[in-house]
Parts: sequence; structure tokens; C-alpha cells
Amino acid sequence: AAGVIQSPRHLIKEKRETATLKCYPIPRHDTVYWYQQGPGQDPQFLISFYEKMQSDKGSIPDRFSAQQFSDYHSELNMSSLELGDSALYFCASSKNNEQFFGPGTRLTVL
Amino acid sequence: GESVGLHLPTLSVQEGDNSIINCAYSNSASDYFIWYKQESGKGPQFIIDIRSNMDKRQGQRVTVLLNKTVKHLSLQIAATQPGDSAVYFCAENIEYGQGGSEKLVFGKGTKLTVNP
Repeated sequence: AAGVIQSPRHLIKEKRETATLKCYPIPRHDTVYWYQQGPGQDPQFLISFYEKMQSDKGSIPDRFSAQQFSDYHSELNMSSLELGDSALYFCASSKNNEQFFGPGTRLTVL
Repeated sequence: GESVGLHLPTLSVQEGDNSIINCAYSNSASDYFIWYKQESGKGPQFIIDIRSNMDKRQGQRVTVLLNKTVKHLSLQIAATQPGDSAVYFCAENIEYGQGGSEKLVFGKGTKLTVNP
């Protein structure tokens, strides 16, 4: 069965650089969510999109932005990266209630 | 405020024993709860869910119990196996707006270690 795809799986950036994370939801899923998981922490909700419109915003810094495109894939754009942005970034997609998570992108900021 | 927390950060059991992982939630309006299993380097994997109109739900080797009176959720794993070793998160699904969007509020996670 198709799963959520995220790319890249690993990303290393310097402070103050920018990063773009991509998420490809399960086909026919209309909602995409982004989560940030720091080392040893629980996933924290960042932002979600329903039918290409932002539906909810969590603890997402102003330096980050995201969008969902016409093909339902989503991108999380991160600018002015800080050391504290180093984390696992998960994307999840859903059609109804159940959210299916992708494998995550591990971002390391040096 | 919104918070879902776990009583124990770590749990170590012997293979074949039953495991019980607990979770407390604070949002009494929540009506949907999920348990996720997260193995090292992987995304959270859905295990079982339960709605607030139920107090128990069983899956394959797993049972989720919901006590709305004390806002407590537990995950029971029968005959725990080494492959069950992972971090387990409870999550509270909160609906927003009119578009059916939801967000998950995760608890802090319990690391389950199964000893052979």
C-alpha cells in the first residue's frame, strides 16, 4: 500500500541557511499535517492543510512557512535556520480521522 | 490547556509478559484518542484508537481502555514480544474549524523495552 513519502530523509544545513522539506501524502488523502520532534521529545504539531488551504496552525515559528499544492503535496520552508531547529520533521496525511505518518526528515543545523 | 501526558517514561518487561502503558489527558472535550508506536528512526505508527463513547477497544494483542471520569487512557499489550520494543505515545485528536481538520496533541512517550 502507498505510504506518505518525505524528502529528503536527511538534511544538514548551516545556521541562517534555508531548507525546504517535501511531503507527498497518500493518494486521495486531502489533509496534510506537519510535526516537529526534537530529540527525546514528543511530536509537536506545526501546521496543517485541508484541500490546499491552511486549516490550523500550531507552534510554528514565523521563520517557517508551508503550503499545499494542487497535487496535494506539501512543502515546509524554513528560513534563518537556528541550531534549535535540528529535529525530525514528520508529515502525516489523512482522509478521515486516522493520520498516517511519513518516515520523517532529519534536519541537522550546524 | 491542552496537554496529554504519560505517567512513566520507561517500562521494562520480560518477553511474554503483559505490558500496560498509561496516559493522562486534560482536555475533557476530546472525543478521539490514538496510541502510536514509534521505533527508532521511524515515524509514529498507528496501533489502535478509541472514541469517547467507548471505554474499551481490543485489537490484535492490544487493548485500549478509556476512563473519562479521571481522564485516563491505557494501552495493554498481551504477551509482549521483543518487536514491541519502541516508544509509545498516546495522542488526543482535536477537531478544528468546519473543514474537518484535526490536530494531534501527543503525550510525552513511554519507552518500552522487552527483555528476552
